[in-house]
Amino acid sequence: TQLLEQSPQFLSIQEGENLTVYCNSSSVFSSLQWYRQEPGEGPVLLVTVVTGGEVKKLKRLTFQFGDARKDSSLHITAAQPGDTGLYLCAGAAGTYKYIFGTGTRLKVLA
Amino acid sequence: DAMVIQNPRYQVTQFGKPVTLSCSQTLNHNVMYWYQQKSSQAPKLLFHYYDKDFNNEADTPDNFQSRRPNTSFCFLDIRSPGLGDAAMYLCATSTRTGGLTSATNEKLFFGSGTQLSVL
Repeated sequence: TQLLEQSPQFLSIQEGENLTVYCNSSSVFSSLQWYRQEPGEGPVLLVTVVTGGEVKKLKRLTFQFGDARKDSSLHITAAQPGDTGLYLCAGAAGTYKYIFGTGTRLKVLA
Repeated sequence: DAMVIQNPRYQVTQFGKPVTLSCSQTLNHNVMYWYQQKSSQAPKLLFHYYDKDFNNEADTPDNFQSRRPNTSFCFLDIRSPGLGDAAMYLCATSTRTGGLTSATNEKLFFGSGTQLSVL
């Protein structure tokens, strides 16, 4: 069974602080995605990483895929209240199948 | 322009009373998924369709069934809802074609979900 563990589970920080969220597995994934979900809505894709060691940037968000394609990280610089939400990593776990991580709930205080 | 539409947004049913949740898509994607998400937890895959091919997860209870009459529509049937089935049910579609070169463009498009309450 492929599992994706995220840490931390909960994070509450002040506006302007930096943070990193981790997504770890003992399994190799062909690709990995990061989503953000707001209350009462479905997850929305932020980024897809495919190549081991790949780094992608989306404004203040930096995503990295581990060299062995078993882990990933999301770093947010100068967090803002609008970044508040549930952050989910998801791995491609076979043909047409995506497994979600355990989630990190972020709250950014103004 | 809603692309994956779930109805209703909120559904209340009684213990043991069958309920059907609906999902439609305007994206013409060949893969559709149903996920169950309980409060503050990650979405859990129940099953998915590639066209009409149905793929059930091994740990999805028999109480959950699905139908996909055509490309655009997919239904989740809960035959005898229990209190533990109260959750957000998310429908998603995928651009993934299954080919080796498609990974960069992999993406799940989610609907807004149906919040199911069981009384």
